[in-house]
Amino acid sequence: GAVVSQHPSWVICKSGTSVKIECRSLDFQATTMFWYRQFPKQSLMLMATSNEGSKATYEQGVEKDKFLINHASLTLSTLTVTSAHPEDSSFYICSARKSGTSGGDSPQETQYFGPGTRLLVL
Amino acid sequence: AQSVTQLDSHVSVSEGTPVLLRCNYSSSYSPSLFWYVQHPNKGLQLLLKYTSAATLVKGINGFEAEFKKSETSFHLTKPSAHMSDAAEYFCVVSEEAGTALIFGKGTTLSVSS
Repeated sequence: GAVVSQHPSWVICKSGTSVKIECRSLDFQATTMFWYRQFPKQSLMLMATSNEGSKATYEQGVEKDKFLINHASLTLSTLTVTSAHPEDSSFYICSARKSGTSGGDSPQETQYFGPGTRLLVL
Repeated sequence: AQSVTQLDSHVSVSEGTPVLLRCNYSSSYSPSLFWYVQHPNKGLQLLLKYTSAATLVKGINGFEAEFKKSETSFHLTKPSAHMSDAAEYFCVVSEEAGTALIFGKGTTLSVSS
């Protein structure tokens, strides 16, 4: 299988605090992980691409200083929402792509998605 | 730039009847296309993917999709809907570099008994 977990599954925090969300590939190594954001009844929007051992690549309009991404190992990427505000309330979803040729065949190989983290900033 | 358009935001069918979820794509190259399903409070699950092999792709749970380049379409079908098929469905295209996915706005499928 290819299981991706996220922790926490939901979090409520006060405005101005920081929140860290973890994304783990449980049974495979992932050189590349992706972070998406989904507003209610809307589609997923890619926020950033996280590569193990290097800086994340952010999509246009995403503040890299506000959404800190760290991909320190082949099985873990973290997203930290710094100084969260109510407008940051959303559903954050990560995905992971298997590393190397043993787990995949091309850049278009399957991404495995985590169950998501629901963030509510009061 | 790549994009996908899901033509229906909501589709309602009766159990046992066919399902058709429509998707059109825009791409300047030969794309990879996917259909994902999202059940409430669950992660996204890959239904099927097209990567320039057979144009008719069979996926899980009886779903299939046909890649039609002339129509730039990748519609998802199922011969007979089941109550458990009720969910949100996303048509997705990969970027040219293949490093990220671009999602359509989603289609909510409702199945009535």
